[in-house]
Order: sequence, then C-alpha cells, then structure tokens
Amino acid sequence: GAGVSQSPSNKVTEKGKDVELRCDPISGHTALYWYRQSLGQGLEFLIYFQGNSAPDKSGLPSDRFSAERTGGSVSTLTIQRTQQEDSAVYLCASSWAPNEQFFGPGTRLTVL
Amino acid sequence: QKEVEQNSGPLSVPEGAIASLNCTYSDRGSQSFFWYRQYSGKSPELIMFIYSNGDKEDGRFTAQLNKASQYVSLLIRDSQPSDSATYLCAAYAITSGTYKYIFGTGTRLKVLA
Repeated sequence: GAGVSQSPSNKVTEKGKDVELRCDPISGHTALYWYRQSLGQGLEFLIYFQGNSAPDKSGLPSDRFSAERTGGSVSTLTIQRTQQEDSAVYLCASSWAPNEQFFGPGTRLTVL
Repeated sequence: QKEVEQNSGPLSVPEGAIASLNCTYSDRGSQSFFWYRQYSGKSPELIMFIYSNGDKEDGRFTAQLNKASQYVSLLIRDSQPSDSATYLCAAYAITSGTYKYIFGTGTRLKVLA
C-alpha cells in the first residue's frame, strides 16, 4: 500500500507510562504533520516537519510531547508520563509541499 | 479570532437538496484552500482544493473562493445520506518564509433521508 501508515492502531496504557506512536509517510512526501483529535472535536495541530528544516513544534501541548523524523521519512511521536487528558486519536499526515495532506488511519490512545 | 473559522453545525438538509458549507480565514497570505470530509471514526480525506477566485466544480461538489472577502464555500448538490459527515476547511499560507496549513474545526452535515 502506498498510503500513510500508523502504528499501533490502538494503544492502551497506564497513567504515567511513556508511549511511542509511529508514522510512515508516503514515499517522497517532504512534509509530515501530527495532529490530535479528541472525540467530537476538530484537529489539533501538534508538530510539522518540512524536509530538512527545523520542525514547527508550536502545537505541542507540553514538554511531555516530542517528535522526531529520521532520514526525512518515518516519524515517531513520544508522550512521556502520559495523563488521562492525553487520550485521543493521534493522526499523522504527509504531503508534497503545499498540496493536499494524506492522512493515516490514526492511533487511538487510551490512558487509564 | 481563529485563523480558519467554520460553523460547527449540525447543518441538516433533506436528501436531494443543496448543502452549503462556509469557511472564513483571517490570513490574507493564504494561497490554497482545501475541503476534507471526515466520517465518524475515520480519517479526513480530500474532496477538493481551490486556489483561484471563482468556482471550481467536480461532480456534485463546487468549491467557491472569494479572496477579497476571505471566504471559501463548498456546495454539495443533490445531497445524499452518504454525504453525512464532518467537513473540514483548511488554508495554506506562506508567512515570513514559514508554511502554515491551518484547519478549521469542521461543520457537521446531516442529510436527512
């Protein structure tokens, strides 16, 4: 499949644990975005990677959140010391420059 | 003021009617505009994009852009129950060399059979 993939599809964790969410973008897409979406809410921008430029981290809600993108491809979003309010669907999207974003299926995170 | 604003709805229209979804944006540097559809429990998917003033038609969908008034709209003709979803408007801008891709919070559309 040539689409954006994310793993895991579901993650249940205990409060205080760290989690890592993975995104494999479409090959050749230079831009990669992470969003968070709580039930019934809109997309909350988290972080944006564009090529080799420094990422735009302006949407990260706290210093417990971090993300990296290795080799301009795969990205990992890490949430440390998870809290119950971190429970949401985390969506990754990739695009070629200013064009449409292609979204992955998301990771549903539940923090107990 | 949010950068991209949409009425959250729900917007209810009868089957076969025209659904009109509106979006306003604040950054005059916005260059391209996108409409995404998101079904409940699914990821957003692109319906249309537009970057020139005027109308752009694709099947039952028409996107309209008015840069002077800073609004974008999406018309869905002959609405079907399967069109019931949340519609997200997004604007792309380059400001001070920085790319910005801003989503609105979405309008929930209900097409009544």
